[in-house]
Amino acid sequence: AQSVAQPEDQVNVAEGNPLTVKCTYSVSGNPYLFWYVQYPNRGLQFLLKYITGDNLVKGSYGFEAEFNKSQTSFHLKKPSALVSDSALYFCAVRDLGNNRLAFGKGNQVVVIP
Amino acid sequence: SQTIHQWPATLVQPVGSPLSLECTVEGTSNPNLYWYRQAAGRGLQLLFYSVGIGQISSEVPQNLSASRPQDRQFILSSKKLLLSDSGFYLCAWRVTGTGAYEQYFGPGTRLTVT
Repeated sequence: AQSVAQPEDQVNVAEGNPLTVKCTYSVSGNPYLFWYVQYPNRGLQFLLKYITGDNLVKGSYGFEAEFNKSQTSFHLKKPSALVSDSALYFCAVRDLGNNRLAFGKGNQVVVIP
Repeated sequence: SQTIHQWPATLVQPVGSPLSLECTVEGTSNPNLYWYRQAAGRGLQLLFYSVGIGQISSEVPQNLSASRPQDRQFILSSKKLLLSDSGFYLCAWRVTGTGAYEQYFGPGTRLTVT
């Protein structure tokens, strides 16, 4: 089965510093990868996806993600973090052969003013 | 544009009472629909998904059930709630037939079983 791993429980970053949220994947075949953000007591919001093509994918709210096939990674990045970026971030991969997404456990991001 | 609605937003129910959560999607046809539960503000657990009217796939055996009486309506039910049913319930949809696999989530229902 396809899966993703988010190795860190929480990422703390100072406002204005670069933000990176890590995700590694395990798939058979070509991966379809996604990032979502969740604010407290809200549903998940879709940020960006990688299907094929350019390894650097740009998404909403200034976020981007870099697909690295040799490292089986799909890290989410933002050049300059805002306090409002404090939220829970989920990486996901399409589960081939069915209609599901497999989600990681989530990363809490705390941006310190 | 597409919109997804869930209601109620919050619900407090006693143990042993029934449950009905509703989800509707606007602006799309024949979507895939999903019910997730999120406990303790972290991981997502897929409960059910549906690829069409009356077609339900159950991912986790439990005292919950789902139904899809109309193309854009998805209902989560229980005859008797347990304390362990407390959590944040999320409905999601995805468009079919386009090669897009991202899912779009509703605002969620916070269920507290007392």
